Amino acid sequence: DAGVIQSPRHEVTEMGQEVTLRCKPISGHDYLFWYRQTMMRGLELLIYFNNNVPIDDSGMPEDRFSAKMPNASFSTLKIQPSEPRDSAVYFCASSARERRGGNTIYFGEGSWLTVV
Amino acid sequence: AQKITQTQPGMFVQEKEAVTLDCTYDTSDQSYGLFWYKQPSSGEMIFLIYQGSYDEQNATEGRYSLNFQKARKSANLVISASQLGDSAMYFCAMREGPSNDYKLSFGAGTTVTVRA
Repeated sequence: DAGVIQSPRHEVTEMGQEVTLRCKPISGHDYLFWYRQTMMRGLELLIYFNNNVPIDDSGMPEDRFSAKMPNASFSTLKIQPSEPRDSAVYFCASSARERRGGNTIYFGEGSWLTVV
Repeated sequence: AQKITQTQPGMFVQEKEAVTLDCTYDTSDQSYGLFWYKQPSSGEMIFLIYQGSYDEQNATEGRYSLNFQKARKSANLVISASQLGDSAMYFCAMREGPSNDYKLSFGAGTTVTVRA
């Protein structure tokens, strides 16, 4: 089975530009997450969706960040305008209810963003 | 307060030996789940093992086992027969509350370097 697919894997952009990160969750998973990883703050949950509906966006740092999930197989995280402090690895992850209760979250390979 | 504490920033282990990675957690919930993820230098986050708070037996997955001590609130990962490919950062994570709460809190991680 295909895992979580993210694109682009690497992006270098200039400050002020718009950045769009894309994610395709594992087929059949009804939860989708966006995480950010930095050296200073570790792994942070930005937002998560259930059945394409945003459930908790309290981790989104500011209005420059927005996320959408137009259908069950696609989500975007957009930063506009980007700033150097947004440089990080952005992970998309997905999950489904498991009978055993673990509801394991599976991560994509990450999108490495550098804003110069 | 930190929900997940990993006190070992880095460890060295000889190939074929076992290594234990420490993880302590803080929660007042009765129902919670504990996870370990591996992040190799390539950056992806790989799910390793899960332990539910009500699971009576310690979880095992191949060479990975989780030493769950509920009273001590610890969930140490044991990697047996270390291989060079085990060199990576390892993260402990916790999901609090009922199974329908998907938020994961991550520790700071432990870097493991396996020596030949």
